[in-house]
Amino acid sequence: GDSVTQMEGPVTLSEEAFLTINCTYTATGYPSLFWYVQYPGEGLQLLLKATKADDKGSNKGFEATYRKETTSFHLEKGSVQVSDSAVYFCALSDPGGYQKVTFGIGTKLQVIP
Amino acid sequence: EAGVAQSPRYKIIEKRQSVAFWCNPISGHATLYWYQQILGQGPKLLIQFQNNGVVDDSQLPKDRFSAERLKGVDSTLKIQPAKLEDSAVYLCASTSLGVDTQYFGPGTRLTVL
Repeated sequence: GDSVTQMEGPVTLSEEAFLTINCTYTATGYPSLFWYVQYPGEGLQLLLKATKADDKGSNKGFEATYRKETTSFHLEKGSVQVSDSAVYFCALSDPGGYQKVTFGIGTKLQVIP
Repeated sequence: EAGVAQSPRYKIIEKRQSVAFWCNPISGHATLYWYQQILGQGPKLLIQFQNNGVVDDSQLPKDRFSAERLKGVDSTLKIQPAKLEDSAVYLCASTSLGVDTQYFGPGTRLTVL
């Protein structure tokens, strides 16, 4: 079945540091890939997505590129802020049938001033 | 546009008691999901509705969990009887037909003592 593997946290960075959160996936076919973010006490919200190979999703300074050859979708940001502290989930959507979404375990990011 | 609404936000019960959660999806969204998110893990799909029909309930513990979506709008998820391991956040999400980006509610945090 489909699966998503992402690096375990927590990840602690100083403000303005470079962020990478690794994500790899296993899927049949050509899934859409997502990063969702969950701020404390809130539900998940979409951060960015990519629907086909070599697509780059971007939002709020975050980027991720759909790499089919390495089955990866790593999240990056050049300069993190304290307000980026949250849990980040990598996910994929099964393109067939009913768009079932499979989530990774989440990576907690803490940014310190 | 109003987001996905869930209630209650928090619930504490004793084991073997029953509990129900309510979700009101975004207006017009045909697909509704219930997820269980145990602390430190990613959301796990319990059940997916398309309109008022079930399209995936393969991971729903049917001996104790039930869900319904009458009239294809609001949905309720019930646990009866609850076990200690049911302590988790229960997330509801919705999306339009054929769209893979999900919109999440704030969740209900259930504690079973």
